[in-house]
Amino acid sequence: ELKVEQNPLFLSMQEGKNYTIYCNYSTTSDRLYWYRQDPGKSLESLFVLLSNGAVKQEGRLMASLDTKARLSTLHITAAVHDLSATYFCAVDSRGGSNYKLTFGKGTLLTVNP
Amino acid sequence: GAGVSQTPSNKVTEKGKYVELRCDPISGHTALYWYRQSLGQGPEFLIYFQGTGAADDSGLPNDRFFAVRPEGSVSTLKIQRTERGDSAVYLCASSLGGKNTEAFFGQGTRLTVV
Repeated sequence: ELKVEQNPLFLSMQEGKNYTIYCNYSTTSDRLYWYRQDPGKSLESLFVLLSNGAVKQEGRLMASLDTKARLSTLHITAAVHDLSATYFCAVDSRGGSNYKLTFGKGTLLTVNP
Repeated sequence: GAGVSQTPSNKVTEKGKYVELRCDPISGHTALYWYRQSLGQGPEFLIYFQGTGAADDSGLPNDRFFAVRPEGSVSTLKIQRTERGDSAVYLCASSLGGKNTEAFFGQGTRLTVV
């Protein structure tokens, strides 16, 4: 059974600081997603990482994937308040079928002024 | 519509009652998914449709849960004899289907069983 673990589960940081959220998964997969969820809102897709060594950046967020280590990271640079949300990683356990994502528990990020 | 639409957005029901949750996928999306998100947890897979048929229903927790998609578009998730443990946000997503296509999520239906 595929397990996806995120840490930390709670992250409180000051504006302007950098931090990294980690996502470990237990079985082979080469397709990993990062989502953002605001309270009461839908899941917003941030990144899709499709291969070992993939790195994607959007604004202050950068995601990477190491399939050999079964690890993905979401790095936050110079955090701003607008980044406060819950971030989920999800792993596709069916080799690209995209129909059975296994999610981590999420990281609740709070950015304080 | 522009996105995945779910109705109702909130549903409160009494224990033992029957409920139906509706999902309107993005037009043209052949694949449709239901997930359940409990408080403080990540979404958990329930069922996947490709067209009209349920390609994988292995995530449905028990036989009180059933989902249909009779015309390959709108889907209904049905829960019989609801229990308090069924309280959660039920998320629907759709995609074009096929390899490596992105799924888009609706805003969910918050179900509360009292």
